[in-house]
Amino acid sequence: RKEVEQDPGPFNVPEGATVAFNCTYSNSASQSFFWYRQDCRKEPKLLMSVYSSGNEDGRFTAQLNRASQYISLLIRDSKLSDSATYLCVVTPNSGNTPLVFGKGTRLSVIA
Amino acid sequence: DGGITQSPKYLFRKEGQNVTLSCEQNLNHDAMYWYRQDPGQGLRLIYYSQIVNDFQKGDIAEGYSVSREKKESFPLTVTSAQKNPTAFYLCASSADRRAGTEAFFGQGTRLTVV
Repeated sequence: RKEVEQDPGPFNVPEGATVAFNCTYSNSASQSFFWYRQDCRKEPKLLMSVYSSGNEDGRFTAQLNRASQYISLLIRDSKLSDSATYLCVVTPNSGNTPLVFGKGTRLSVIA
Repeated sequence: DGGITQSPKYLFRKEGQNVTLSCEQNLNHDAMYWYRQDPGQGLRLIYYSQIVNDFQKGDIAEGYSVSREKKESFPLTVTSAQKNPTAFYLCASSADRRAGTEAFFGQGTRLTVV
C-alpha cells in the first residue's frame, strides 16, 4: 500500500457545486496533515493544515479521521478559480522526516 | 519580500552534461528539500537537509548531488549519471526539523535534456 493515496480524478463539476476529496495514508503514526493546491505548471501552495478537530476556511473544510486513516477536503460553492490539482500531504511520524505527497486529485470546475 | 527563489526557471542541457539548479531562501528556515515532478505524477523526494552541512538522500537520489554550506542555499546538481533528468524540479523549505511544519515552495525549474 502506498504511503499516501488519492483518487487522481479528474472531478468535473459545475460552478456552485460541492465536491469532496478523500486521501488515505498508510502510516498510523503520521503526525501532521495538509492540503496543498497546485495549478498547472506551477509550484504547490499550502491550502490548509488539517487538525484533529477539523478546520474550516471559508468555502473549504478539512477533516481528519485517524481511526480510518484518511483526511478529506470539502469545497462548497465551487468557483472556476478552484480548478487545480489538490495534493494531500502527510508527515510520516514525529521524527525528522520530510513531507510525503500524494499524487493529487484534479478538479475542473465548469461554467 | 521573504521567500524561496529558484533559478533558472527553464534550463536546457545536452546529454552527458552536469547542471546545477539554484535554490535560495531568506525565510531563515532550517530545513530544505528537493523534489522532482514528472508530468501527471506526484512529487518525489530527491534530497533533503535539516541543518547546515548535513543532508540525507530521499527516494530517488541516484544521479543527483547536493550541498548545504549555508543555511540560505541548497543547490542541486543533476549529473550525467541521471538517466531521465527531464522534469520539473521543486525546491522547498520549512521552518524547522519537527514534524508538523508546512513546507513552502519555490517556483520550480523545468529542466529539459536535448
